[in-house]
Amino acid sequence: TQTVSQSDAHVTVFEGDSVELRCNYSYGGSIYLSWYIQHHGRGLQFLLKYYSGNPVVQGVNGFEAEFSKSDSSFHLRKASVHWSDSAVYFCAVTNNNAGAKLTFGGGTRLTVRP
Amino acid sequence: EAAVTQSPRSKVAVTGGKVTLSCHQTNNHDYMYWYRQDTGHGLRLIHYSYVADSTEKGDIPDGYKASRPSQENFSLILELASLSQTAVYFCASSEVGQGETLYFGSGTRLTVL
Repeated sequence: TQTVSQSDAHVTVFEGDSVELRCNYSYGGSIYLSWYIQHHGRGLQFLLKYYSGNPVVQGVNGFEAEFSKSDSSFHLRKASVHWSDSAVYFCAVTNNNAGAKLTFGGGTRLTVRP
Repeated sequence: EAAVTQSPRSKVAVTGGKVTLSCHQTNNHDYMYWYRQDTGHGLRLIHYSYVADSTEKGDIPDGYKASRPSQENFSLILELASLSQTAVYFCASSEVGQGETLYFGSGTRLTVL
Protein backbone atom coordinates (compact mmCIF):
# COMPACT_ATOMS: atom_id res chain seq x y z
CA THR A 1 0.00 0.00 0.00
CA GLN A 2 1.31 3.40 -0.94
CA THR A 3 0.64 6.41 1.25
CA VAL A 4 1.33 10.10 0.95
CA SER A 5 1.63 12.46 3.90
CA GLN A 6 1.59 16.23 3.77
CA SER A 7 2.39 17.29 7.30
CA ASP A 8 1.37 20.93 7.00
CA ALA A 9 -2.33 21.55 6.45
CA HIS A 10 -1.81 25.33 6.24
CA VAL A 11 1.19 27.48 5.38
CA THR A 12 1.12 31.28 5.38
CA VAL A 13 3.89 33.43 3.93
CA PHE A 14 4.32 36.95 2.60
CA GLU A 15 4.69 37.84 -1.04
CA GLY A 16 8.32 37.53 -2.07
CA ASP A 17 9.13 34.95 0.60
CA SER A 18 10.42 31.51 -0.24
CA VAL A 19 8.30 28.51 0.65
CA GLU A 20 8.69 24.76 0.99
CA LEU A 21 5.70 22.44 1.08
CA ARG A 22 6.51 19.03 2.46
CA CYS A 23 5.54 15.64 1.12
CA ASN A 24 6.56 12.24 2.43
CA TYR A 25 5.57 8.93 0.96
CA SER A 26 5.78 5.28 1.83
CA TYR A 27 6.27 2.71 -0.87
CA GLY A 28 8.99 0.17 -1.50
CA GLY A 29 9.08 -0.07 -5.28
CA SER A 30 9.53 2.18 -8.25
CA ILE A 31 7.28 5.18 -8.00
CA TYR A 32 6.21 8.25 -9.84
CA LEU A 33 5.79 11.40 -7.76
CA SER A 34 3.91 14.51 -8.78
CA TRP A 35 2.53 17.78 -7.46
CA TYR A 36 -0.77 19.40 -8.32
CA ILE A 37 -2.24 22.82 -7.57
CA GLN A 38 -5.91 23.55 -6.92
CA HIS A 39 -7.15 27.12 -6.97
CA HIS A 40 -10.39 27.82 -5.15
CA GLY A 41 -13.36 26.26 -6.89
CA ARG A 42 -11.28 24.75 -9.67
CA GLY A 43 -10.00 21.35 -10.65
CA LEU A 44 -6.46 20.21 -9.97
CA GLN A 45 -3.70 21.24 -12.35
CA PHE A 46 -0.47 19.32 -12.86
CA LEU A 47 2.69 21.15 -11.71
CA LEU A 48 5.58 18.71 -12.07
CA LYS A 49 6.64 15.09 -11.76
CA TYR A 50 9.62 12.87 -10.95
CA TYR A 51 10.47 9.31 -11.82
CA SER A 52 14.20 9.04 -12.17
CA GLY A 53 17.32 11.02 -12.97
CA ASN A 54 18.08 14.46 -11.55
CA PRO A 55 16.35 14.58 -8.16
CA VAL A 56 15.48 18.24 -8.63
CA VAL A 57 12.72 18.77 -11.14
CA GLN A 58 11.42 22.04 -12.48
CA GLY A 59 7.78 22.85 -12.97
CA VAL A 60 5.67 25.73 -14.14
CA ASN A 61 5.67 29.21 -12.59
CA GLY A 62 9.03 28.84 -10.84
CA PHE A 63 8.13 25.78 -8.80
CA GLU A 64 10.62 23.00 -8.27
CA ALA A 65 10.65 19.81 -6.22
CA GLU A 66 13.41 17.65 -4.86
CA PHE A 67 13.22 13.90 -4.49
CA SER A 68 15.05 12.21 -1.63
CA LYS A 69 15.00 8.43 -1.46
CA SER A 70 16.69 8.36 1.93
CA ASP A 71 14.05 10.66 3.44
CA SER A 72 11.16 9.29 1.35
CA SER A 73 10.33 12.85 0.48
CA PHE A 74 9.37 14.99 -2.47
CA HIS A 75 9.18 18.57 -1.18
CA LEU A 76 7.92 21.43 -3.34
CA ARG A 77 9.73 24.79 -3.27
CA LYS A 78 9.47 28.23 -4.70
CA ALA A 79 12.07 30.94 -4.21
CA SER A 80 9.74 33.94 -4.33
CA VAL A 81 5.98 33.52 -4.06
CA HIS A 82 3.30 35.71 -5.57
CA TRP A 83 -0.20 36.30 -4.22
CA SER A 84 -1.54 34.24 -7.13
CA ASP A 85 0.26 31.21 -5.73
CA SER A 86 -2.35 31.04 -2.98
CA ALA A 87 -4.01 27.67 -3.49
CA VAL A 88 -4.11 24.13 -2.18
CA TYR A 89 -1.20 21.93 -3.22
CA PHE A 90 -1.42 18.17 -3.46
CA CYS A 91 1.38 15.66 -3.60
CA ALA A 92 0.61 12.37 -5.35
CA VAL A 93 2.29 9.01 -5.90
CA THR A 94 1.68 6.06 -8.15
CA ASN A 95 3.62 2.83 -8.38
CA ASN A 96 3.29 2.38 -12.11
CA ASN A 97 2.49 4.32 -15.19
CA ALA A 98 -0.55 2.31 -16.18
CA GLY A 99 -2.85 5.16 -15.29
CA ALA A 100 -4.40 3.83 -12.11
CA LYS A 101 -4.04 4.18 -8.39
CA LEU A 102 -2.66 7.69 -8.19
CA THR A 103 -2.77 8.31 -4.43
CA PHE A 104 -3.06 11.88 -3.18
CA GLY A 105 -1.94 13.45 0.04
CA GLY A 106 -4.36 15.50 2.10
CA GLY A 107 -3.17 18.79 0.65
CA THR A 108 -1.49 21.93 1.97
CA ARG A 109 -3.28 25.25 1.76
CA LEU A 110 -0.80 27.98 0.93
CA THR A 111 -1.83 31.55 1.72
CA VAL A 112 0.36 34.34 0.39
CA ARG A 113 -0.19 37.68 2.12
CA PRO A 114 0.62 40.97 0.36
CA GLU B 1 -10.85 25.66 -23.95
CA ALA B 2 -11.42 23.03 -21.28
CA ALA B 3 -10.36 19.57 -22.38
CA VAL B 4 -12.21 17.77 -19.59
CA THR B 5 -15.74 18.99 -19.10
CA GLN B 6 -18.03 17.91 -16.30
CA SER B 7 -21.75 18.36 -16.00
CA PRO B 8 -23.58 19.52 -14.06
CA ARG B 9 -21.35 21.97 -12.14
CA SER B 10 -23.52 21.49 -9.10
CA LYS B 11 -26.47 19.36 -8.14
CA VAL B 12 -28.82 18.91 -5.23
CA ALA B 13 -30.28 15.43 -4.90
CA VAL B 14 -32.62 13.75 -2.47
CA THR B 15 -31.68 10.74 -0.40
CA GLY B 16 -32.53 7.56 -2.27
CA GLY B 17 -32.65 9.27 -5.64
CA LYS B 18 -30.56 8.43 -8.68
CA VAL B 19 -27.77 10.77 -9.71
CA THR B 20 -25.69 10.70 -12.87
CA LEU B 21 -22.55 12.80 -13.22
CA SER B 22 -21.14 13.18 -16.71
CA CYS B 23 -17.65 13.76 -18.02
CA HIS B 24 -16.47 14.48 -21.55
CA GLN B 25 -12.85 14.77 -22.65
CA THR B 26 -11.34 16.00 -25.88
CA ASN B 27 -7.76 15.02 -25.01
CA ASN B 28 -7.99 11.75 -26.94
CA HIS B 29 -6.85 9.98 -23.77
CA ASP B 30 -7.55 6.34 -23.15
CA TYR B 31 -7.64 6.56 -19.36
CA MET B 32 -10.37 8.28 -17.39
CA TYR B 33 -11.01 8.52 -13.66
CA TRP B 34 -13.56 9.59 -11.09
CA TYR B 35 -12.31 11.03 -7.82
CA ARG B 36 -14.16 12.26 -4.79
CA GLN B 37 -12.99 15.20 -2.66
CA ASP B 38 -14.41 15.87 0.77
CA THR B 39 -14.01 19.27 2.35
CA GLY B 40 -10.47 19.77 3.56
CA HIS B 41 -9.27 16.43 2.29
CA GLY B 42 -7.42 14.94 -0.61
CA LEU B 43 -8.88 13.01 -3.49
CA ARG B 44 -9.96 9.39 -3.38
CA LEU B 45 -10.34 7.21 -6.45
CA ILE B 46 -13.84 5.81 -7.04
CA HIS B 47 -13.71 4.20 -10.51
CA TYR B 48 -11.47 4.35 -13.51
CA SER B 49 -11.38 3.08 -17.05
CA TYR B 50 -8.64 2.06 -19.48
CA VAL B 51 -10.83 1.66 -22.52
CA ALA B 52 -14.37 2.19 -23.72
CA ASP B 53 -16.94 -0.32 -22.44
CA SER B 54 -14.76 -1.30 -19.50
CA THR B 55 -14.48 0.10 -15.98
CA GLU B 56 -12.45 -0.80 -12.92
CA LYS B 57 -13.05 -0.29 -9.21
CA GLY B 58 -10.92 2.21 -7.39
CA ASP B 59 -10.36 2.57 -3.67
CA ILE B 60 -13.90 3.55 -2.66
CA PRO B 61 -16.34 2.05 -5.22
CA ASP B 62 -19.18 1.14 -2.86
CA GLY B 63 -22.39 2.97 -3.70
CA TYR B 64 -21.13 4.05 -7.13
CA LYS B 65 -21.27 2.65 -10.63
CA ALA B 66 -19.41 3.87 -13.69
CA SER B 67 -20.06 3.74 -17.39
CA ARG B 68 -17.66 4.35 -20.29
CA PRO B 69 -19.70 4.19 -23.50
CA SER B 70 -17.00 5.80 -25.62
CA GLN B 71 -13.42 7.02 -25.33
CA GLU B 72 -14.66 10.56 -24.75
CA ASN B 73 -17.37 9.96 -22.17
CA PHE B 74 -17.29 8.60 -18.64
CA SER B 75 -20.23 8.74 -16.24
CA LEU B 76 -20.54 8.19 -12.52
CA ILE B 77 -23.86 6.84 -11.30
CA LEU B 78 -25.27 6.91 -7.80
CA GLU B 79 -28.26 4.56 -7.90
CA LEU B 80 -29.42 5.39 -4.38
CA ALA B 81 -27.86 8.63 -3.25
CA SER B 82 -27.03 8.94 0.44
CA LEU B 83 -26.08 11.84 2.71
CA SER B 84 -22.53 10.51 2.96
CA GLN B 85 -22.08 11.00 -0.78
CA THR B 86 -22.22 14.77 -0.45
CA ALA B 87 -18.85 15.85 -1.87
CA VAL B 88 -17.13 17.39 -4.87
CA TYR B 89 -16.54 14.92 -7.69
CA PHE B 90 -13.71 15.28 -10.18
CA CYS B 91 -13.24 13.57 -13.48
CA ALA B 92 -9.78 13.27 -15.00
CA SER B 93 -8.04 11.76 -17.99
CA SER B 94 -4.50 10.68 -18.79
CA GLU B 95 -2.47 9.29 -21.63
CA VAL B 96 -1.27 5.74 -21.79
CA GLY B 97 1.99 5.52 -19.84
CA GLN B 98 1.47 8.90 -18.20
CA GLY B 99 -0.54 7.88 -15.19
CA GLU B 100 1.13 10.41 -12.96
CA THR B 101 -0.07 13.29 -15.14
CA LEU B 102 -3.80 13.73 -14.88
CA TYR B 103 -5.94 16.38 -16.53
CA PHE B 104 -8.89 17.33 -14.38
CA GLY B 105 -12.29 18.80 -14.98
CA SER B 106 -13.61 21.65 -12.83
CA GLY B 107 -15.64 19.35 -10.61
CA THR B 108 -19.28 18.74 -9.72
CA ARG B 109 -20.46 19.78 -6.30
CA LEU B 110 -23.08 17.25 -5.18
CA THR B 111 -25.28 17.89 -2.18
CA VAL B 112 -27.54 15.09 -1.02
CA LEU B 113 -30.38 16.15 1.28
